[in-house]
Amino acid sequence: KQEVTQIPAALSVPEGENLVLNCSFTDSAIYNLQWFRQDPGKGLTSLLLIQSSQREQTSGRLNASLDKSSGRSTLYIAASQPGDSATYLCAVGFGNEKLTFGTGTRLTIIP
Amino acid sequence: ETGVTQSPTHLIKTRGQQVTLRCSSQSGHNTVSWYQQALGQGPQFIFQYYREEENGRGNFPPRFSGLQFPNYSSELNVNALELDDSALYLCASSLKGPGETQYFGPGTRLLVL
Repeated sequence: KQEVTQIPAALSVPEGENLVLNCSFTDSAIYNLQWFRQDPGKGLTSLLLIQSSQREQTSGRLNASLDKSSGRSTLYIAASQPGDSATYLCAVGFGNEKLTFGTGTRLTIIP
Repeated sequence: ETGVTQSPTHLIKTRGQQVTLRCSSQSGHNTVSWYQQALGQGPQFIFQYYREEENGRGNFPPRFSGLQFPNYSSELNVNALELDDSALYLCASSLKGPGETQYFGPGTRLLVL
């Protein structure tokens, strides 16, 4: 059974700092890994999708890496802003499109 | 905005009642998945529909059922509601095939009293 873990559960950093969020998974036979952002009480916004054959994806200030062999992914956020405050979820996908999610990291950027 | 819509946004029911939640997929998407997200947890996969047929199911009892219509809109039905069914219910649409991005709607928050 695939398990996805995100550490830490919560993180507070001053505005402007760079930060890294971690995601680990137990079964390396994944098709892809996706990072989402969730604002309080809202749905999920897809940030980055990394296919299993890729090592990283970048979008603006966000960079996600994937190491399938070690079962790890990181989401790097550069020059953090108060608007980045949200819960960040990673999810691994298999060929049947079912996503298995971690419990998320709640990020607070302090102005 | 993903183009995926859900209704209603909020709902309050009492234990034992039945509820129907609705989802309208993004245009052109033929696959819809439903997830349950309890407070403070990650979403849990309920089931997926492809071309009106169930195409995979998570660890949820039969009182959770669904439908997908020819226009690819979808319903999630829950019978005999329990207190633990209180959660945010999310639907996600995608194209069929491994590696396709799933696009999530804003969710329906269900409270069971």
